[in-house]
Amino acid sequence: EAGVAQSPRYKIIEKRQSVAFWCNPISGHATLYWYQQILGQGPKLLIQFQNNGVVDDSQLPKDRFSAERLKGVDSTLKIQPAKLEDSAVYLCASSLAGSSGAGELFFGEGSRLTVL
Amino acid sequence: AQSVAQPEDQVNVAEGNPLTVKCTYSVSGNPYLFWYVQYPNRGLQFLLKYITGDNLVKGSYGFEAEFNKSQTSFHLKKPSALVSDSALYFCAVRRFSGATNKLIFGTGTLLAVQP
Repeated sequence: EAGVAQSPRYKIIEKRQSVAFWCNPISGHATLYWYQQILGQGPKLLIQFQNNGVVDDSQLPKDRFSAERLKGVDSTLKIQPAKLEDSAVYLCASSLAGSSGAGELFFGEGSRLTVL
Repeated sequence: AQSVAQPEDQVNVAEGNPLTVKCTYSVSGNPYLFWYVQYPNRGLQFLLKYITGDNLVKGSYGFEAEFNKSQTSFHLKKPSALVSDSALYFCAVRRFSGATNKLIFGTGTLLAVQP
């Protein structure tokens, strides 16, 4: 079974530039997550999709971050304009559908962003 | 607020010795608890979870965790550490809010196993 695919693995940009990350979840997984992991910290949920609908985006900085999951499969996370504090690893994860909360998340390898 | 705490930034253990990585939780109701491991430059991998049932949960790579309701803890353990176990370990708890839920992670504990 193929895992969660993310690209690019690494990206270096200057502040005020824009960047986009792509994620393709495990086939059949209805729930998709984007987490931000800053060095030395645990992952922080940015946005959670159920199929193509947003379930939770309470911690997404909406003035600069946006995400979409067209057709309920792959997803794109965009940052525009980037700030120095956006330097982090952006992790995409997916899980089977269901509101029980008992299922585990499957993570991609992450996209490491460096903002200069 | 529902959360987890990992009191140790780093745990050092000699190969072959038992290891414990600590986690305490703060939730209302019955907790759904998880452990994940992260190797350098990789994503997080699921190790084990406690939802209900036996307090001792067995997971991948010989790891296990003990749910202790009275101490609100969910410590990760392994009887005999391997150098290859060296990695970053995260405890996580499900936070429920109405009809939705999300996974909240601790700050992580770096496990270093010396040969």
